[in-house]
Amino acid sequence: DAGITQSPRHKVTETGTPVTLRCHQTENHRYMYWYRQDPGHGLRLIHYSYGVKDTDKGEVSDGYSVSRSKTEDFLLTLESATSSQTSVYFCAISNDKNTGELFFGEGSRLTVL
Amino acid sequence: AQSVAQPEDQVNVAEGNPLTVKCTYSVSGNPYLFWYVQYPNRGLQFLLKYITGDNLVKGSYGFEAEFNKSQTSFHLKKPSALVSDSALYFCAVRDRRDSGGYNKLIFGAGTRLAVHP
Repeated sequence: DAGITQSPRHKVTETGTPVTLRCHQTENHRYMYWYRQDPGHGLRLIHYSYGVKDTDKGEVSDGYSVSRSKTEDFLLTLESATSSQTSVYFCAISNDKNTGELFFGEGSRLTVL
Repeated sequence: AQSVAQPEDQVNVAEGNPLTVKCTYSVSGNPYLFWYVQYPNRGLQFLLKYITGDNLVKGSYGFEAEFNKSQTSFHLKKPSALVSDSALYFCAVRDRRDSGGYNKLIFGAGTRLAVHP
């Protein structure tokens, strides 16, 4: 399995609180991604990174921000969590920007009450 | 816009029978196509991909997929299903012409495969 660690794996929080999810990789892959998984929607891309300090928005980026200060870490922040952000969040990495497959972490289940 | 459709929420198959999980796609140009599998409480695992060349692609665990450009389909198949194949399967696509795509994949909603003994 690819060396990808997500933390926390489970979190329950209240509406309006900030939340940060961390993705740590030991593969030295350049590209990192945050997806959310919801029933009926599959996986949808939130943000991605193509290098240290280089990030861009995905298809469902509203309400989320990211940061990548080191190759190995990619942080996803919900500045003020809402119930619609209750989801399972997956980090993925890739070493090929064109045709390479993605390697996924185990997921972080977030519940916003 | 790119999109992927998996028309079946669930597919039920008896162990030993062949299985097919359907996927159709829509892109402006030519596609790169992928299949992933997700076991309970796990992340997605790569199964196979179509980039170019032979329309029949072979992947992990005995799975294969056939790229059909005229029908814009990329169905996943296996000749003989195992109970251990029971999982959630996702088809994904990206447009080959999207040179700045940074491997951003568009996923279908997923199909749950249930293989019965």
